[in-house]
Amino acid sequence: TQLLEQSPQFLSIQEGENLTVYCNSSSVFSSLQWYRQEPGEGPVLLVTVVTGGEVKKLKRLTFQFGDARKDSSLHITAAQPGDTGLYLCAGRGGSNYKLTFGKGTLLTVNP
Amino acid sequence: KAGVTQTPRYLIKTRGQQVTLSCSPISGHRSVSWYQQTPGQGLQFLFEYFSETQRNKGNFPGRFSGRQFSNSRSEMNVSTLELGDSALYLCASSLGTNPITDTQYFGPGTRLTVL
Repeated sequence: TQLLEQSPQFLSIQEGENLTVYCNSSSVFSSLQWYRQEPGEGPVLLVTVVTGGEVKKLKRLTFQFGDARKDSSLHITAAQPGDTGLYLCAGRGGSNYKLTFGKGTLLTVNP
Repeated sequence: KAGVTQTPRYLIKTRGQQVTLSCSPISGHRSVSWYQQTPGQGLQFLFEYFSETQRNKGNFPGRFSGRQFSNSRSEMNVSTLELGDSALYLCASSLGTNPITDTQYFGPGTRLTVL
């Protein structure tokens, strides 16, 4: 069974601060995705990373896939209240490429 | 184009009853996946259907079942409900053609409460 551990579980910061969320596993993933989920809605895909060492940027968000494809990080620069939400990492691996989710990081950005 | 729709949005049932949840995928998407989301366990994969066939299955008891129709719409059934089945049930659709990079589009979920 493939597991993804996210840290921290909760994060409360002030507007303008930087933050990093981590997603770690002992398993190798073929791809890793990051989602954001807001209350009352389903998760929305932010990015997919496939290659070990890959870095992708989405405005103030930077995503990195570990060289060994076992871990990933999400860095947010100058966080804004609109970034508030549940951030989920999810990896595809194994023979059937099932999507395994981490338990999420609940981010609150205070104005 | 229209997103993934799920009905009903909220449901209250009692222990021992059964429930059926419905999911309409994005037009053209042939894969539908179901997930259970709880505060303690997070998002857990239930099963995936592609072209009316179950392609993948998670580690849930046989009380959880599903099916997909020829128009790609999918239903999920839970029989003999238990208190622990209270959760947000999410449906996601995708093209289903590339298992590594497929983008899943999630619906808003059905909030099931078992009393």
